[in-house]
Amino acid sequence: GDSVTQMEGPVTLSEEAFLTINCTYTATGYPSLFWYVQYPGEGLQLLLKATKADDKGSNKGFEATYRKETTSFHLEKGSVQVSDSAVYFCALSEVSGGSYIPTFGRGTSLIVHP
Amino acid sequence: DGGITQSPKYLFRKEGQNVTLSCEQNLNHDAMYWYRQDPGQGLRLIYYSQIVNDFQKGDIAEGYSVSREKKESFPLTVTSAQKNPTAFYLCASSTMDRVADTQYFGPGTRLTVL
Repeated sequence: GDSVTQMEGPVTLSEEAFLTINCTYTATGYPSLFWYVQYPGEGLQLLLKATKADDKGSNKGFEATYRKETTSFHLEKGSVQVSDSAVYFCALSEVSGGSYIPTFGRGTSLIVHP
Repeated sequence: DGGITQSPKYLFRKEGQNVTLSCEQNLNHDAMYWYRQDPGQGLRLIYYSQIVNDFQKGDIAEGYSVSREKKESFPLTVTSAQKNPTAFYLCASSTMDRVADTQYFGPGTRLTVL
């Protein structure tokens, strides 16, 4: 079945540092790929997405490129802020028997210090 | 404003009680989902529904039940058969559009068994 593997956290950085959170996936077809962010005590919200190979999703300074050859969708940001501290989830979604069932990674906690 | 609401935000249950978590959406989405979130385990799918009066079991449906009598509502009942119900519960909805199948999440309900 489908699966998503993220690097384990927590990732601890100083403000203005470069961020990479690795994400690789296994899927039978051609999934859409997503990054969601969860702030403490809240639900998840979409950060960015890509729907086909070589697409780049971007939002709020975060970027991720859909790499079919390496089955990866790594999240990057050039300069993190304290307000970026949250848990980040990589996810995929594809049709399975006529249903759109999403698969989530375990999440990576990011802590940014001033 | 369009979105998903969950209530209550905090819920306490005694051993042997059934409790029902509410989820309502006004996004006109066909699909709705319930997830359970435990620390370090990411999201696990409990049930999902892609049309009124129909729903499917997810990965951890035992001890839970749902109904989908209206498009905008998808309540989850945690029964006494669920042996370890203390967790954070998230409801989500999405369209069935292959390209735009982003999940929209509610703020969550934290259930604690006393």
